[in-house]
Amino acid sequence: EIVLTQSPATLSLSPGERATLSCRASESVDTYLAWYQHKPGQAPRLLIYDASHRATGIPARFSASGSGTDFTLTISNLEPEDFAVYYCQQRGGWITFGQGTRLEI
Amino acid sequence: QVQLQESGPRVVKTSQTLSLTCIVSGGSITTSGSYWSWLRQRPGTGLEWIGNTYYSGTTYYMPSLKSRVTITVDTAKNQFSLSMTSATAADTAVYYCARERQDIVTKFYAFDIWGRGTLVTVSS
Repeated sequence: EIVLTQSPATLSLSPGERATLSCRASESVDTYLAWYQHKPGQAPRLLIYDASHRATGIPARFSASGSGTDFTLTISNLEPEDFAVYYCQQRGGWITFGQGTRLEI
Repeated sequence: QVQLQESGPRVVKTSQTLSLTCIVSGGSITTSGSYWSWLRQRPGTGLEWIGNTYYSGTTYYMPSLKSRVTITVDTAKNQFSLSMTSATAADTAVYYCARERQDIVTKFYAFDIWGRGTLVTVSS
């Protein structure tokens, strides 16, 4: 099973700032990595697939990069609605998710 | 616009079978490249993939749960279901159904549509 480790566990920022979230895989997943945003009581929302491609309707302030074992999600110019939990998920082997990064104000 | 809705008992007794159904609306469950999944989030933890099914009936399960899980698809009713036997308190979680779209050309392998989730509590 491929383990995804996300850091930091919690990120405290203000609107207008930039958030940088990290996801590290225990072995290579090529670019089979996705990012999701999850708010309480809501369904998770797909942000990024194939490590760097924004899903339909996702604002350009969300960007991502990486391949192999190291991945980054960057949110530029944070909006109030961006404060949520973010998960990475890999498809290089059996599907697994990271433990999440909580982005808080 | 495809939407998913989970349904089923919110409380399950210990050692009994947890059963949930996901109704697919706004689109066909037989859409090529659509893999219909169950996931869960136990209290205080991250998301966990349980398994999936294709409309043909092909299934894949997370190895750690495979012995207790069955996922079935009903194309006539446009729905798919989860059955998890021998439930314990450790199975208490919010259960989500989701569509994983797979497209080898665009390397799109991700869960693009999710249900809102349903909390299932396993208790004696």
